[in-house]
Amino acid sequence: AQSVAQPEDQVNVAEGNPLTVKCTYSVSGNPYLFWYVQYPNRGLQFLLKYITGDNLVKGSYGFEAEFNKSQTSFHLKKPSALVSDSALYFCAVRPDNNAGNMLTFGGGTRLMVKP
Amino acid sequence: DAGVIQSPRHEVTEMGQEVTLRCKPISGHNSLFWYRQTMMRGLELLIYFNNNVPIDDSGMPEDRFSAKMPNASFSTLKIQPSEPRDSAVYFCASSTNRLLAGGRNEQFFGPGTRLTVL
Repeated sequence: AQSVAQPEDQVNVAEGNPLTVKCTYSVSGNPYLFWYVQYPNRGLQFLLKYITGDNLVKGSYGFEAEFNKSQTSFHLKKPSALVSDSALYFCAVRPDNNAGNMLTFGGGTRLMVKP
Repeated sequence: DAGVIQSPRHEVTEMGQEVTLRCKPISGHNSLFWYRQTMMRGLELLIYFNNNVPIDDSGMPEDRFSAKMPNASFSTLKIQPSEPRDSAVYFCASSTNRLLAGGRNEQFFGPGTRLTVL
């Protein structure tokens, strides 16, 4: 069975500073990895995904994530945080042999960007 | 495309009443997922369908919960009878495993239904 860990319930960062939201995973076989963002009173929005290829994946709103197979991590990063990035972030994984696109989500990390 | 459509957006009901939540997936998607989100338990997968067939319903909490997908463009999640502990935001998501980007596409979420059971 697969699992995802987001070790930080909340990350605080000042506007303009770089941000990192951590994610580690466990899965049999090759992982497909995803990041989603949830703004208040909204559904989850897809940010980016890693399927294969370059370990550094770029996504929406200037976010990027780096796949590290040896550390089984897929941390979300942004060089310069905005107050509007404040939201709840979810990491998700599925094994490459799951035809139904069923994802296992982490518990979420709340990002607070302060002016 | 309008995205995943859910109705109602908000539902307030009394304990013991039947509640039906509705979802219209994105046209052409063949996988559909029902999730529940609460502060205490986070995001939980309740059930998912592939090609209108329930594949995994192990997340359905009790027999009071049931889900159907009579066709590719509609699904319902029913709670009967409802209880206060069912209060949560219920999300529907859809996806496709057809050969787009290798058939490994992300899920698209609806806006959710906020259910309050008094």
